[in-house]
Amino acid sequence: AQTVTQSQPEMSVQEAETVTLSCTYDTSESDYYLFWYKQPPSRQMILVIRQEAYKQQNATENRFSVNFQKAAKSFSLKISDSQLGDAAMYFCAQESGNKLVFGAGTILRVKS
Amino acid sequence: NAGVTQTPKFRILKIGQSMTLQCTQDMNHNYMYWYRQDPGMGLKLIYYSVGAGITDKGEVPNGYNVSRSTTEDFPLRLELAAPSQTSVYFCASIAGVVTGSFYNSPLHFGNGTRLTVT
Repeated sequence: AQTVTQSQPEMSVQEAETVTLSCTYDTSESDYYLFWYKQPPSRQMILVIRQEAYKQQNATENRFSVNFQKAAKSFSLKISDSQLGDAAMYFCAQESGNKLVFGAGTILRVKS
Repeated sequence: NAGVTQTPKFRILKIGQSMTLQCTQDMNHNYMYWYRQDPGMGLKLIYYSVGAGITDKGEVPNGYNVSRSTTEDFPLRLELAAPSQTSVYFCASIAGVVTGSFYNSPLHFGNGTRLTVT
């Protein structure tokens, strides 16, 4: 079974600074899809960014970017120019067959 | 645009009681999922359905039952509530699943049901 590991239970960042959240995964597939979801205190799940494994170019969405290392099975999320509204739980997820497998999450706190 | 609707939003149950968490979607999605999220933890898949009349177990199905009589509805049943079932429950849906479908059409989540069993 696929597993997704987020080794940082909690991270803090100063407003306007950059922070990187780590994620590793385990799969035997050669082509797959990876995602980062954000869950603010409202509990709503929001898709932040997505990556196709066969694309070597790292995905970017405004202040959010990923560092995808396929050989190392690593998929980290970089948030630049952090804002107070970025404070949330962040989940890494991998598409596995007909479902998504989620990591345990990282709580991100943003200090003003 | 209702999307995925879950009811109730909050519920407190006594040990041994039963209840049904309701989930309905108005997007004509074939695939529906139930996840649970324990405090400070990730989402674990309980059950999922690929269409009306078809259901399948996820990672943590024990203590739960589901049915899918219509495309729109996917209720989750707890028969004998236990403290270990205290959690936030999320229902989600997607139109269909072939390779890459979660990439092209993001999973739609409901707003969750917070359940406490005491």
